[in-house]
Formats: sequence, structure tokens, C-alpha cells
Amino acid sequence: NAGVTQTPKFQVLKTGQSMTLQCAQDMNHEYMSWYRQDPGMGLRLIHYSVGAGITDQGEVPNGYNVSRSTTEDFPLRLLSAAPSQTSVYFCASSYNLQGANTGELFFGEGSRLTVL
Amino acid sequence: ELKVEQNPLFLSMQEGKNYTIYCNYSTTSDRLYWYRQDPGKSLESLFVLLSNGAVKQEGRLMASLDTKARLSTLHITAAVHDLSATYFCAGRTYYTDKLIFGTGTRLQVFP
Repeated sequence: NAGVTQTPKFQVLKTGQSMTLQCAQDMNHEYMSWYRQDPGMGLRLIHYSVGAGITDQGEVPNGYNVSRSTTEDFPLRLLSAAPSQTSVYFCASSYNLQGANTGELFFGEGSRLTVL
Repeated sequence: ELKVEQNPLFLSMQEGKNYTIYCNYSTTSDRLYWYRQDPGKSLESLFVLLSNGAVKQEGRLMASLDTKARLSTLHITAAVHDLSATYFCAGRTYYTDKLIFGTGTRLQVFP
């Protein structure tokens, strides 16, 4: 039972470098999302997707790009990393948030990113 | 835009005592979620509350939802050390696909 898999678990970047956080789920979930977690701030929604080919912005999308070419994968790209992007990033998925579905999210283990 | 506020932010309680965590939200939300996070770990789902007056219980935890008051509560009965964790509530406004989280309540249970 893989569930939601995030890679890498840890990453250190220098300011201005780019990188991609990978997220894959094997539950055939339509909905996928990315959150960042910072002390005292809870979880903040970065981007989300309701299906392949569809993405939208969350609460804090600036500095991040996403794409959803397949149902399984939802990578998060940092084009030019900044120290303010130092955080723990969580990917989460669900069947979908509409109708009779509960919208319960299943989370990955998290990716800890440090930008120097 | 939905805003979700929890209080208290930090709760230190003695084993065997009861307490309640409050989750207030700013606009109409059609469902409310509670999650638990252990230090350094991921989040796991505790409860999904889908309608006004919904009440769910699991062990020493009971969650309720009052959509008119825009309030959800997580009640802890006779706390034990294993309940020490951070608890988050999250809400979704009608017909959107954004799940917005509160800042979390860090619960510490001591003997």
C-alpha cells in the first residue's frame, strides 16, 4: 500500500536554484494538492488539481508552478528558490471534494526543504 | 475567502482531565475536517463532519459541528499521554475545491 509518495524527503538548495518536488499516488484519486507547513502558520494551500490537465492556485501560489499530466502525478516546481520557501511541503490526495464524497485528504510523508 | 481559526494554540493538560479545542471559520463551510499530526510525521484524518449537528466519536475524542455558529469542537475526555499531538481543523467553502487549514493546536498531556 504505497498511498501518496513524496520525493525527496530532504533537500538543501541555494538561493536561485530550481528543483521539483515529486508527488505520486496510486489510489486513482482525482484531487491532488500541495501544502506548505511553517511553525505557527498551520498548513497553507499552494496549488491544487481536480483532475489531469486541470490546476488552480491556492492561498500561497507565488514562486511555485504545478502541472498534472497524469492522474497519478502532481509535481511542484520551484523555479528560483528563495529562503522564504524554506518549509515542510506536503502533498495530499482525495477522490474528490464534491458531491457525496467526503473529501478526506490522504497525506504524503512530507518533504523538508531548506533554502540557503 | 475562508479563514479558519483554532484556539487554543497550545494546550498542556493533565492525564485524566477533559478539555475542548475550538475551531471557528469565517464563511459558510459545508464540511469540516479534523486531522492529527505527531511530531515530525504526516497528518492523519480523524473526523469528517458533513452536516449541521454532526457528531462523531472515536475513543476519547469527540468532534461536533454547528454550521450556524460556524464552530466545530474537538472534545477530549480523560486525556492520556498517547493523545499528545498537534490537531488541525480544516474547512471547505461551498462548491470550491480548496481545503483551508487552521493553525493547529499543540496538545501536551502530562502525568
